[in-house]
Amino acid sequence: DQQVKQNSPSLSVQEGRISILNCDYTNSMFDYFLWYKKYPAEGPTFLISISSIKDKNEDGRFTVFLNKSAKHLSLHIVPSQPGDSAVYFCAAKRRSQGNLIFGKGTKLSVKP
Amino acid sequence: DVKVTQSSRYLVKRTGEKVFLECVQDMDHENMFWYRQDPGLGLRLIYFSYDVKMKEKGDIPEGYSVSREKKERFSLILESASTNQTSMYLCASSFDFVHQPQHFGDGTRLSIL
Repeated sequence: DQQVKQNSPSLSVQEGRISILNCDYTNSMFDYFLWYKKYPAEGPTFLISISSIKDKNEDGRFTVFLNKSAKHLSLHIVPSQPGDSAVYFCAAKRRSQGNLIFGKGTKLSVKP
Repeated sequence: DVKVTQSSRYLVKRTGEKVFLECVQDMDHENMFWYRQDPGLGLRLIYFSYDVKMKEKGDIPEGYSVSREKKERFSLILESASTNQTSMYLCASSFDFVHQPQHFGDGTRLSIL
């Protein structure tokens, strides 16, 4: 049973436009959410996180939105750049537990 | 910057062999994790450790064991390698369990022939 779902395996966006990556979760006990970016042949790199007490967190071109009632979060990248082309993983955890639950990832392609 | 180092980028072993994957972190992190990544399945947790000599099973521990004799080092052991353990293995560490992100190594691509 998948607790963290990324329903879009891939997304293609034009350079300079907005990229929106979506993630849904089923466990209402999750209270911390993260996004990781992964290039081929490299480990995932932490991008941005959000606690369940917030509904938005921004860091430069990256913004994460959390809708607790819908159990949905999204990552916005504005403006998108070709270097953003990678696989993006959504992850969630409970405060009392150390392990992250990952989605299956969304491959973002930003075309020049 | 946190540095998580996995001893091998690529490894080829034979069925039935005992395989050791090593991971070292340099930030005095309490927690360390082993994942495997497979196409279409994302990252799945094998084992994690929150202290020296402590270990906890993740989602897919069967066929694996771990060792944490020192704080900075976390080893994953395939007791008797099988072809379905061919995968990308990723090690991670974090400072605490609450709101600190995990930092990953670059992975070991393991092929079992």
